[in-house]
Amino acid sequence: LAKITQPISMDSYEGQEVNITCSHNNIATNDYITWYQQFPSQGPRFIIQGYKTKVTNEVASLFIPADRKSSTLSLPRVSLSDTAVYYCLVGEYSGSARQLTFGSGTQLTVLP
Amino acid sequence: DTEVTQTPKHLVMGMTNKKSLKCEQHMGHRAMYWYKQKAKKPPELMFVYSYEKLSINESVPSRFSPECPNSSLLNLHLHALQPEDSALYLCASSFGGTNTGELFFGEGSRLTVL
Repeated sequence: LAKITQPISMDSYEGQEVNITCSHNNIATNDYITWYQQFPSQGPRFIIQGYKTKVTNEVASLFIPADRKSSTLSLPRVSLSDTAVYYCLVGEYSGSARQLTFGSGTQLTVLP
Repeated sequence: DTEVTQTPKHLVMGMTNKKSLKCEQHMGHRAMYWYKQKAKKPPELMFVYSYEKLSINESVPSRFSPECPNSSLLNLHLHALQPEDSALYLCASSFGGTNTGELFFGEGSRLTVL
């Protein structure tokens, strides 16, 4: 399987907008792109999901270009409690097999 | 009820022990998953059950044995584990089959193998 890559870490200040990218060159045709937040010693928590263009909910926006080989999670006005690891989850093909694979993860640290 | 419940939260076992991890959901989800997560790494898929049938086994060693007694329960039986199997084991479920990426995760079972 091709690797699904994300920046290792990002720092931001409270109140700023944060954009985290995920590169998924081998995404399966019919699969959605999903983003999760994970705090230490807890299970990942669903943030947002999309298939193409732009999706927005009460906590985030997700931007997906036409070729769907990448996606960007946008967190508006982050707070200290947004410090966590963020993962994208994508369905990929390996030969004829398809499986859901997590990206490498991005540690977001929000500073006061 | 929108929870996936995992027990125990912590487990310490020796290499000769037999133990089990349990997972339960009552959301009517028909796909259930076991993931393994090492420190500072993303979760890695181990097993997927779809409609109570094992649909994906990611070449996991036989010392891990999954069981899905019904659509609400998922077990992971552990036997003769190695210290490198120490990790956070996450259970997840999703509505319908395995095409959706919207997974509901439990809090995990922290396993330590001595």
